[in-house]
Amino acid sequence: TQLLEQSPQFLSIQEGENLTVYCNSSSVFSSLQWYRQEPGEGPVLLVTVVTGGEVKKLKRLTFQFGDARKDSSLHITAAQPGDTGLYLCAGANTNAGKSTFGDGTTLTVKP
Amino acid sequence: DTGVSQNPRHKITKRGQNVTFRCDPISEHNRLYWYRQTLGQGPEFLTYFQNEAQLEKSRLLSDRFSAERPKGSFSTLEIQRTEQGDSAMYLCASSRTEAYGYTFGSGTRLTVV
Repeated sequence: TQLLEQSPQFLSIQEGENLTVYCNSSSVFSSLQWYRQEPGEGPVLLVTVVTGGEVKKLKRLTFQFGDARKDSSLHITAAQPGDTGLYLCAGANTNAGKSTFGDGTTLTVKP
Repeated sequence: DTGVSQNPRHKITKRGQNVTFRCDPISEHNRLYWYRQTLGQGPEFLTYFQNEAQLEKSRLLSDRFSAERPKGSFSTLEIQRTEQGDSAMYLCASSRTEAYGYTFGSGTRLTVV
């Protein structure tokens, strides 16, 4: 069974601060996705990374896929209250049929 | 395209009753997935379809759970003889491939009392 561990589990910061959350596994994945989920809603896809060492930027969010394709990080610059939510990572393998999700990091950004 | 649609959004049922949820995926997506999520946890895989074929079902899923996707379009998830432990958010997602991420619906929140 492929497991994804996310850390920290909870993070509470002030508006304007920077933060990094992590997604780690002992397994190799073909691709890894990051999602953001708000209470009572389904997760929304933020990004997919597929190449070891890949870095993708989405406005204030920077995503990195580890060289060995076992881990990933999400860095947010100058966090805003609208960034509040549950950040989930999910790993997929070609022809595996399904993605495996971590338990997420709950981020609270206080104004 | 209106995205992935799930109905109902909320369902409260008495223990022992049967419930059925519906998911309408994005029309161009041939893969459809069902996940379950409880508070403080990430989504847990239940089953997935490619077109009308159910290709995988979680070993954690009891025989009380069944899913269908007739004609490769919408899908239904039925839970028979519900138990309090079935209370969760049931999420449906669709995709073209497994490698590039899913589009999720808003989920169905099931409460078994």
